Amino acid sequence: DVKVTQSSRYLVKRTGEKVFLECVQDMDHENMFWYRQDPGLGLRLIYFSYDVKMKEKGDIPEGYSVSREKKERFSLILESASTNQTSMYLCASSPQGGTRNTIYFGEGSWLTVV
Amino acid sequence: AQSVSQHNHHVILSEAASLELGCNYSYGGTVNLFWYVQYPGQHLQLLLKYFSGDPLVKGIKGFEAEFIKSKFSFNLRKPSVQWSDTAEYFCAVTRPSGTYKYIFGTGTRLKVLA
Repeated sequence: DVKVTQSSRYLVKRTGEKVFLECVQDMDHENMFWYRQDPGLGLRLIYFSYDVKMKEKGDIPEGYSVSREKKERFSLILESASTNQTSMYLCASSPQGGTRNTIYFGEGSWLTVV
Repeated sequence: AQSVSQHNHHVILSEAASLELGCNYSYGGTVNLFWYVQYPGQHLQLLLKYFSGDPLVKGIKGFEAEFIKSKFSFNLRKPSVQWSDTAEYFCAVTRPSGTYKYIFGTGTRLKVLA
């Protein structure tokens, strides 16, 4: 069974803090993704990575950066957290080989910025 | 802008009622279509997917979806819902010639009353 693990389920951070959200997958998937999930807006792609050290911006990359130093790990970084970044963050992974592949999600990280 | 639309944001049904959740996409040409489900407190998981062939596709837990190309639709159906179907449902699209971006709809929250 594919497992995508997000290390922090619930976080409360102060405005201006630097925030790291960590994600690890155990299925040797090439592709990894960060989404944010907001009521009424669905899932919006922040960044994705198709290989180690490779990344591409999604639809809402502003205020975020990512790091992929190892294949199994994909980190989302909020350089200076703001209250409008309060949200549920979902990490996901999928194997290489086309756009028909299932995407596997972690359980999410609830971030509150105060 | 290219998008995926789910017009029903909240649906409330009694057990044994029939379910149909709408999904429309605005891309021309070939697409890959998915329905994902998020049960309370759980991670998003795949219900079913369609790439080609028979436009009526069956998934897990008695769900099915019908692809109607002329209507750019991929509606999810279940003949008789159960209380355990209470969840949020997301339609998603990828394009065969595109990147690995999965474009998700805004989701439909289904509540089934026992």
